Amino acid sequence: DAGVTQSPTHLIKTRGQHVTLRCSPISGHKSVSWYQQVLGQGPQFIFQYYEKEERGRGNFPDRFSARQFPNYSSELNVNALLLGDSALYLCASSLLPGYSEQYFGPGTRLTVT
Amino acid sequence: AQTVTQSQPEMSVQEAETVTLSCTYDTSESDYYLFWYKQPPSRQMILVIRQEAYKQQNATENRFSVNFQKAAKSFSLKISDSQLGDAAMYFCASHLQGGSEKLVFGKGTKLTVNP
Repeated sequence: DAGVTQSPTHLIKTRGQHVTLRCSPISGHKSVSWYQQVLGQGPQFIFQYYEKEERGRGNFPDRFSARQFPNYSSELNVNALLLGDSALYLCASSLLPGYSEQYFGPGTRLTVT
Repeated sequence: AQTVTQSQPEMSVQEAETVTLSCTYDTSESDYYLFWYKQPPSRQMILVIRQEAYKQQNATENRFSVNFQKAAKSFSLKISDSQLGDAAMYFCASHLQGGSEKLVFGKGTKLTVNP
């Protein structure tokens, strides 16, 4: 079975631009979470979606938004990019929220110049 | 609020030897899960082992085992018979049972395995 997939793998953007990152969960998984991992740090929770509803939000500004589609795939959007948004963005999926392991995708490396 | 602390930024071990990675956490909740994740240079975060807080028995997965001390809020990972492929960043993480999927991660420990 395919694991969690994310696209694109790498992305370079300029300050002030907008970016959209995509994630497809493991087949049968209905919960998707997004994390930001700055170099040298552990991942920080951004959002969790389950059944297209936002179930959790981390301490990130409103420039960050996300949504989940009927097929349970998800998009993370970041507006007005700042240099500090440069990071590895990880998507994780799980069968159900709150009770099960999360399986991570390979991440999208975002560089803001 | 939950916090997770990994006090060892880097550790090294000889191939075939045993190494223990430390993790402490803080939570006021009684029901939660603890995890160890491995992140090799390929960046893929891989689940190594999981422990439910209500279980007294320490979890074991092949060469990986944990020492879970609930009262001390300690959750260390022991890797036996270390292999070159074990070299990676290791992250300790926790999340509350029944809550959102928010995983709280430590800063990680970089493990080097020497041949």
